[in-house]
Amino acid sequence: AQSVTQPDIHITVSEGASLELRCNYSYGATPYLFWYVQSPGQGLQLLLKYFSGDTLVQGIKGFEAEFKRSQSSFNLRKPSVHWSDAAEYFCAVGARGSQGNLIFGKGTKLSVKP
Amino acid sequence: NAGVMQNPRHLVRRRGQEARLRCSPMKGHSHVYWYRQLPEEGLKFMVYLQKENIIDESGMPKERFSAEFPKEGPSILRIQQVVRGDSAAYFCASSPYESTDTQYFGPGTRLTVL
Repeated sequence: AQSVTQPDIHITVSEGASLELRCNYSYGATPYLFWYVQSPGQGLQLLLKYFSGDTLVQGIKGFEAEFKRSQSSFNLRKPSVHWSDAAEYFCAVGARGSQGNLIFGKGTKLSVKP
Repeated sequence: NAGVMQNPRHLVRRRGQEARLRCSPMKGHSHVYWYRQLPEEGLKFMVYLQKENIIDESGMPKERFSAEFPKEGPSILRIQQVVRGDSAAYFCASSPYESTDTQYFGPGTRLTVL
């Protein structure tokens, strides 16, 4: 079955520290991969996406993610976290050439300590 | 260019009443997707529509839920005879293409059933 797993429900990091959010997927083929961020009471904003090519993808707000086919992973990273990064982060997959059905993980809530 | 708009942002209904959620896609977008986010869960796909057509409703509950996207006006997600389990955040996304790669999300409607 197609699924997305985000193993960490809640992560707390200190401002200025590095961050890595984990995402593993189960899919029949290499899917499209996405990271979205959701601030409290807000909709989802696309941080970055992977379709093909370079497995290290750069996104907005200083985020990057690396696709590792052998591990079925697409982990999100940021070298130095800012207090404004506190939010919930969702990893999602979509089938290539599909009609648009995205499958989301349950999300990781990020808290940032001053 | 305004983003995806959803209204109302918050909706309170008593059990047995009807809920109508509206989604206005971004200008020029003719593809609309509805997702539901239950508490502590990721988003789950419900339905995908193009103007005047339902393309994929595989995620819609079989009873009480319906969706439309008329030629003029917003897309509507309608829930009849709401129950407490319908309490959730409902997100709409729009896309200019039939694809997973360019979905833009609205701020969501938070439905509370008393």
